[in-house]
Amino acid sequence: EDKVVQSPLSLVVHEGDTVTLNCSYEVTNFRSLLWYKQEKKAPTFLFMLTSSGIEKKSGRLSSILDKKELFSILNITATQTGDSAVYLCAVVPDSWGKLQFGAGTQVVVTP
Amino acid sequence: KAGVTQTPRYLIKTRGQQVTLSCSPISGHRSVSWYQQTPGQGLQFLFEYFSETQRNKGNFPGRFSGRQFSNSRSEMNVSTLELGDSALYLCASSLGGTGAYGYTFGSGTRLTVV
Repeated sequence: EDKVVQSPLSLVVHEGDTVTLNCSYEVTNFRSLLWYKQEKKAPTFLFMLTSSGIEKKSGRLSSILDKKELFSILNITATQTGDSAVYLCAVVPDSWGKLQFGAGTQVVVTP
Repeated sequence: KAGVTQTPRYLIKTRGQQVTLSCSPISGHRSVSWYQQTPGQGLQFLFEYFSETQRNKGNFPGRFSGRQFSNSRSEMNVSTLELGDSALYLCASSLGGTGAYGYTFGSGTRLTVV
């Protein structure tokens, strides 16, 4: 059975800290891995990773995939209170329209 | 360009009733997937539609059904509602549903069953 495990489940940091979120997976016929940020309702897209070792960056956020060890990392540097959210990792298996989600990591950034 | 639109935003229903939720995908997107999000189970895949055909289905009882229209808009229906059906229902639209171009989510419909 496909499985996606995120860690930690929650963390509290101070503004300016760096955060590292982990996502490990076991899935048949892996296609890609996606990161989303969910604040209130709609998960908003952050990154899509398909190749190992290639870092994707967007501002203070970056992510990398290791297809050999089956995990991905999402980093947030110089955190701001606006980064407070649940960060979701989802793996796309070889299955129409289906995303296999992890439980998410709740990040709280305090002033 | 308009995003994914889900209606209604909130619903309160009584056990035993049925409910229909709507999702309008991004223009040009032909794949619509539905997810149920609860605090205990997280986001779980319900089904996916492409060109009016259901191509994939998750592990939910037959009370959960859906359809897609020729304009790619999709509806999902839940019959004989149970308290455990209370959840945020999200739909995601995609160009082809293979994941190659990612998935964009709507803001969801919050269903409360009392």
